[in-house]
Amino acid sequence: AQSVTQLDSHVSVSEGTPVLLRCNYSSSYSPSLFWYVQHPNKGLQLLLKYTSAATLVKGINGFEAEFKKSETSFHLTKPSAHMSDAAEYFCVVSPRGAGNQFYFGTGTSLTVIP
Amino acid sequence: GAVVSQHPSWVICKSGTSVKIECRSLDFQATTMFWYRQFPKQSLMLMATSNEGSKATYEQGVEKDKFLINHASLTLSTLTVTSAHPEDSSFYICSAPQGTSGIHEQFFGPGTRLTVL
Repeated sequence: AQSVTQLDSHVSVSEGTPVLLRCNYSSSYSPSLFWYVQHPNKGLQLLLKYTSAATLVKGINGFEAEFKKSETSFHLTKPSAHMSDAAEYFCVVSPRGAGNQFYFGTGTSLTVIP
Repeated sequence: GAVVSQHPSWVICKSGTSVKIECRSLDFQATTMFWYRQFPKQSLMLMATSNEGSKATYEQGVEKDKFLINHASLTLSTLTVTSAHPEDSSFYICSAPQGTSGIHEQFFGPGTRLTVL
């Protein structure tokens, strides 16, 4: 079975401070992992993906995530938050060999305080 | 990157009527597409996998007679909400995978907001 747990439903940071959005997963297969962002009234946008290459993955807009198999985690980070980062973030697991289905975490709402 | 469109972007209908939502891959072919449902301030729930040339695969708890899926071509999948009721009001999102070597990225449509009165 596959599941994704996003440990924080809401995260609030000040502009210019680091961002940490936590994600843990479980998967019966060796998974691909993704982070997507959803701005209000807009479609989902891919931030980054892990597909068994480098464990530290760099994405768009300065975001990074590190795959830690021993901890079954794929936390999203950014060194310095920008106002435009305020959005909903989803961690997604796709078990390989499972027909490309995506399973979404419950989402983390990021607020950036000026 | 690849583009997925949905039509309509929003629809309001009366209870008991049926509503069809289209999902198109604009610049690539997709033998598989996925349909999700998202309630306000909640996550996306995978409803079903749409397969070109064969029946859709539904996730547990999703009524296949309620949510009819037809994958008419390599670029089009439709979701029909039959005999809609207010509890069917939601944001419906489709996606299509694209990629090579078994590693696929999903490209998402902008979503369709359905309101059933």
